[in-house]
Amino acid sequence: RKEVEQDPGPFNVPEGATVAFNCTYSNSASQSFFWYRQDCRKEPKLLMSVYSSGNEDGRFTAQLNRASQYISLLIRDSKLSDSATYLCVVNPLNQAGTALIFGKGTTLSVSS
Amino acid sequence: GAGVSQSPRYKVAKRGQDVALRCDPISGHVSLFWYQQALGQGPEFLTYFQNEAQLDKSGLPSDRFFAERPEGSVSTLKIQRTQQEDSAVYLCASSLLDRATVGELFFGEGSRLTVL
Repeated sequence: RKEVEQDPGPFNVPEGATVAFNCTYSNSASQSFFWYRQDCRKEPKLLMSVYSSGNEDGRFTAQLNRASQYISLLIRDSKLSDSATYLCVVNPLNQAGTALIFGKGTTLSVSS
Repeated sequence: GAGVSQSPRYKVAKRGQDVALRCDPISGHVSLFWYQQALGQGPEFLTYFQNEAQLDKSGLPSDRFFAERPEGSVSTLKIQRTQQEDSAVYLCASSLLDRATVGELFFGEGSRLTVL
């Protein structure tokens, strides 16, 4: 089983739609979680951290369910500029000796 | 510029050639990571440096892969006797913090290696 699993998509949605991505992780001891965004042929960039209490940044909401070991990202009122690949990222043990583990990514395409 | 700089951006190598990929991290960043990203995949961890010390090389796929960061700033990833399966984008990332508290990695644009 992969450490971090995501539905690769693609998710094709019209502008203004609400879309949600899920991600599951295998290591129950994992401590910190993130969503990164990667545009086509560009480098990944941090979109937002994911906290146990959930967090919101404008149109983006991230949530963590430790019991089920999954992380979600909700995008409301989708824009054309949201088209990208969204990478779920886990820091397995949150201590020295580990590296951030990336999922394969979920591709979103927003059309007008 | 102020970001992570990688060179070359593109490299075409014949199978069996050695290649060297350079990463210039953001000044003052303690942590440096190398990742390999194949087409359609997420970045896969290769190795991690804290300053000049290579603390984790568990992701290096074979002994043909070697990385160094001798002065704790610029890092080089070397691949010896390249194979077709080495074709990928090699991403370097740096972080101000140590790995225990790292949250945001700043990535370079990557070096795209094609092995013929």
